[in-house]
Amino acid sequence: QKEVEQNSGPLSVPEGAIASLNCTYSDRVSQSFFWYRQYSGKSPELIMSIYSNGDKEDGRFTAQLNKASQYVSLLIRDSQPSDSATYLCAGDSGNTPLVFGKGTRLSVIA
Amino acid sequence: NAGVTQTPKFQVLKTGQSMTLQCAQDMNHNSMYWYRQDPGMGLRLIYYSASEGTTDKGEVPNGYNVSRLNKREFSLRLESAAPSQTSVYFCASSEARLAGGNEQFFGPGTRLTVL
Repeated sequence: QKEVEQNSGPLSVPEGAIASLNCTYSDRVSQSFFWYRQYSGKSPELIMSIYSNGDKEDGRFTAQLNKASQYVSLLIRDSQPSDSATYLCAGDSGNTPLVFGKGTRLSVIA
Repeated sequence: NAGVTQTPKFQVLKTGQSMTLQCAQDMNHNSMYWYRQDPGMGLRLIYYSASEGTTDKGEVPNGYNVSRLNKREFSLRLESAAPSQTSVYFCASSEARLAGGNEQFFGPGTRLTVL
């Protein structure tokens, strides 16, 4: 199993819907997790960090971490066309660089 | 604060030419990283520097060298460019806390084409 895995997509959702992005991880990268948004031709931008089991909400974004099942997810409520981007999940083992998934491409259809 | 800056933004090289990509951060971070990103391949770590004075190889170090000039600056050098090194290069930095929270912050990237 790769250390951080994401479905490459594209994931298409209608405007106003909830977009759900998922990421699974191996034992090595289990300390904390980060979600990055990357617009086409731009650099990754950190949008959410989560360090413990449960949910963390920030505006329209909610990150969910389930360490027992080894998955982390990002929910985007009231999706907008401006949310169309690639979303990268990254895991932290604590003493080495972050391990990134290959990203999920999200397309929000107006 | 400018965050992480990279120069140049774009570069075209001929096979065999050399060049250095520059990166600087003003967030007083300990760790710095160089990635390349190719379509469908995600981010691949080339080299990183956990702290000033140290550097380590990442996933794809061949054909590259790095220098951690001081705490702020981390450069990436291509000694003899090859078409396979055509890519977008990102520099990143992080505070590198042992207890986690090692989120990385990225520069705007350098688009490199090797003919």
